[in-house]
Amino acid sequence: SQTIHQWPATLVQPVGSPLSLECTVEGTSNPNLYWYRQAAGRGLQLLFYSVGIGQISSEVPQNLSASRPQDRQFILSSKKLLLSDSGFYLCAWKDRVGANEQFFGPGTRLTVL
Amino acid sequence: AQSVAQPEDQVNVAEGNPLTVKCTYSVSGNPYLFWYVQYPNRGLQFLLKYITGDNLVKGSYGFEAEFNKSQTSFHLKKPSALVSDSALYFCAVRDMRRSGGYNKLIFGAGTRLAVHP
Repeated sequence: SQTIHQWPATLVQPVGSPLSLECTVEGTSNPNLYWYRQAAGRGLQLLFYSVGIGQISSEVPQNLSASRPQDRQFILSSKKLLLSDSGFYLCAWKDRVGANEQFFGPGTRLTVL
Repeated sequence: AQSVAQPEDQVNVAEGNPLTVKCTYSVSGNPYLFWYVQYPNRGLQFLLKYITGDNLVKGSYGFEAEFNKSQTSFHLKKPSALVSDSALYFCAVRDMRRSGGYNKLIFGAGTRLAVHP
């Protein structure tokens, strides 16, 4: 069966520091991968998605970037964090073909102080 | 414009009573619709989906949803609520503006379900 991992689970970082969040998927190949941010425990905002290694699409202009160095690895990064980057970051995957639902990881709670 | 609306910020239900969480959508073409549940500080869990076929879709944990094309709705239902059903519920529709591998989902703002003993 497929599983999705995110780490770290929680992170507290000072303003201006760098960020690296990692997401990995097991049990599937060539998935679509997604990064979302959830603010204040409510709506989801799609940040990036990827349909293959090295292929990244950005949904909103922001202080963050994403990379996909391997088929089942998706990384969210920032060179300098802002207070507004605080939130709950969720990674998700979807089969490239067939099933349409996305499956979510456990999330990373980021607090920028 | 494509969108999903969850008109209720919160729904309060007594344990054992039926529950309904409302969702309406606006999308071109035939919609692909989804429900997810989120418990505190956890990721979203997939509950059920409607792609085609029967308008009543059954999913996990005893939940079901009814697709109504004329009303552009996809309400989530459960005959008898449990306290453990208390969580945040999201409705989503597939973004139909692109084909191929993108398959983005458009999420509603979420509805908080509180089931009281």
